[in-house]
Amino acid sequence: KNQVEQSPQSLIILEGKNCTLQCNYTVSPFSNLRWYKQDTGRGPVSLTIMTFSENTKSNGRYTATLDADTKQSSLHITASQLSDSASYICVVSGSTTSGTYKYIFGTGTRLKVLA
Amino acid sequence: GAVVSQHPSWVICKSGTSVKIECRSLDFQATTMFWYRQFPKQSLMLMATSNEGSKATYEQGVEKDKFLINHASLTLSTLTVTSAHPEDSSFYICSAPAAGTSKKTQYFGPGTRLLVL
Repeated sequence: KNQVEQSPQSLIILEGKNCTLQCNYTVSPFSNLRWYKQDTGRGPVSLTIMTFSENTKSNGRYTATLDADTKQSSLHITASQLSDSASYICVVSGSTTSGTYKYIFGTGTRLKVLA
Repeated sequence: GAVVSQHPSWVICKSGTSVKIECRSLDFQATTMFWYRQFPKQSLMLMATSNEGSKATYEQGVEKDKFLINHASLTLSTLTVTSAHPEDSSFYICSAPAAGTSKKTQYFGPGTRLLVL
């Protein structure tokens, strides 16, 4: 069964600290993995996207890693800011037999950054 | 980057009425759009795939007669919640893959918050 699991479910950190969010998946066949940031009441915004051959991808203070062998990904946030408070969603894409793409969403990690 | 808009951004309606939500790709064409529903503190749940010029594909458990989808053009898909009930209150989000990106990048709309009284 295609699944994407994220941990922790929620996280509270102090401003300026680093944190790492985890994503484990069982989607097959695998196409790509994306991390999205979703502010409360808004649509998700893409942070990074990685294909099978990519191990790491950075976007400012956000760095995502991918281990396609263990089917694990992480999102590292450096020097957190108050504006980083949001839900972070891991989305894994896999192709279907009809040639279309299937997007499997993780349940998300709710991050709260405190001053 | 590509932009997807939704209208309205929020709507309050009486139980039993129908509500139409629009999803537009502003600077690119989208033969496929996706509709999601998100309940508080939960992740997005795919409801259906909207296909331009053909019938939408609904996920298991989603009533096609309840959630009518029309993809009339390459830049517009609409979701109509028919005979809305309080349990339909949710955050509805659409997304579209931008052309020329090998379907890798999904661009999400800002969402529509529906409250059914």
